Amino acid sequence: AQRVTQPEKLLSVFKGAPVELKCNYSYSGSPELFWYVQYSRQRLQLLLRHISRESIKGFTADLNKGETSFHLKKPFAQEEDSAMYYCALSLIQGGSEKLVFGKGTKLTVNP
Amino acid sequence: DTEVTQTPKHLVMGMTNKKSLKCEQHMGHRAMYWYKQKAKKPPELMFVYSYEKLSINESVPSRFSPECPNSSLLNLHLHALQPEDSALYLCASSQARGRQGGETQYFGPGTRLLVL
Repeated sequence: AQRVTQPEKLLSVFKGAPVELKCNYSYSGSPELFWYVQYSRQRLQLLLRHISRESIKGFTADLNKGETSFHLKKPFAQEEDSAMYYCALSLIQGGSEKLVFGKGTKLTVNP
Repeated sequence: DTEVTQTPKHLVMGMTNKKSLKCEQHMGHRAMYWYKQKAKKPPELMFVYSYEKLSINESVPSRFSPECPNSSLLNLHLHALQPEDSALYLCASSQARGRQGGETQYFGPGTRLLVL
């Protein structure tokens, strides 16, 4: 079965510290993976997608097919990074695309 | 216009009421989605429309009835809901490239629904 696992429900770090949000997936095909972020009182928005291989707001994520992981990393966390982070897997069903979300990790960056 | 808009922002309804949620986008996207999000939980997909046709229904109860009148609009008609249906209902849109996948979904702010 296709699923996304985010093992940490809560993650707390200090400003300037490195941060890594873990994401593992289970999928038999070639995965399309995303990180979405939901800041307080804001809409859910895309942070990264693995096919674009870009760095957004200092975050990067590398797809590791051997470990079936897509961990999100940032070398120096900022207070404004505090938010809910969802890892998501794209699936094709009935000719359309759907997202399967992990349960999310709430990141708190302390001053 | 690069946003997905949703109305109303908040809705309170009784179990015998009929109401509708509305979603609109003008980004030329041909795939539109309804999600349900309970507090502190991830969004759960309900329906997907592709080129104005329903393509995915995630076994949603019939008291939720989606409608896509044109490529910019998506409605969710609600009837005889239960208190457990109280949640944030999110609309999203994306390019519709079918089997290629990997498209970014753009989310609206949601409608917070309370069923009494």
